[in-house]
Amino acid sequence: DIQMTQTPSSVSASVGDRVTITCRASQGISSWLNWYQQKPGKAPKLLIYTASNLQSGVPSRFSGSGSGTDFTLTISSLQPEDFAAYYCQQSNSYPITFGQGTRLEIK
Amino acid sequence: EVQLVESGGGLVQPGGSLRLSCAASGFIISSYWMSWVRRAPGKGLEWVANIKKDGSEKHYADSVKGRFTVSRDNAKNSLDLQMNSLRVEDTAVYYCARYCTGGGCDAFDIWGQGTMVTASS
Repeated sequence: DIQMTQTPSSVSASVGDRVTITCRASQGISSWLNWYQQKPGKAPKLLIYTASNLQSGVPSRFSGSGSGTDFTLTISSLQPEDFAAYYCQQSNSYPITFGQGTRLEIK
Repeated sequence: EVQLVESGGGLVQPGGSLRLSCAASGFIISSYWMSWVRRAPGKGLEWVANIKKDGSEKHYADSVKGRFTVSRDNAKNSLDLQMNSLRVEDTAVYYCARYCTGGGCDAFDIWGQGTMVTASS
C-alpha cells in the first residue's frame, strides 16, 4: 500500500498569510495526487486534482504542485473561510489512501 | 443541482448488519465510478470501496474486504453499501462520493453529506 504523509499535522496562521502543506508518498505516484478541504460537520470538498489542476469553483488562491513523491498545497492569502482540515489522497493505485490530515487553525 | 444523499445509518450491535443507500440527482451515475469513504470520530478520511460504471469491477479496503459489499442500480440512479459483521472500529460517518475518471481527473469530485454508523453494544 502507498502511505501518504502530510506535514505539518496542524498549523496556526492569520488571515492574509501564505500557507504551504506538504504531502509525501511512500513511492512514486506520478501526478495522481488530489487535495480536499473539510470543515467540521461538512462533507469533504475537492480543491485540486492531479497535483495541480484547480477544481471548478475553487478560488485561485489555492494551488498545487509536485510530482513523483513530493507534493504541496499552497494557499496564497488565507481567508477566514479557509480554516479547516486538509487532506491529500493518492489515486495512482488501489487501495486508495489519504494523508492523515492537516488542521489549519486561526492564530 | 448535482447531489448525493445518503441514508440508512444508525446504531447497530457489533456483529450486526446495516445497509446504506445513496441517491444521486442532477447527473447519471452510469457514466461514473462511484465510491464510499468514511471518517471515524477523531480520525481522518478512509476510502472504503469503489465500483465501476457498470458494476463489473469492485475494489475494497482491506479493513472491510469480505464483510462489506458495494452495489449499484443504474436504473434507479443509486448506490448501496451492505455492511455485515460490523465491528466497533467501523463506527464512522460514511460518505457516498462520485469518482471522476478521464480528462485527467481521478478523484472524488462530488460528495454526499454523510450518514453516521455506530457499532456499539
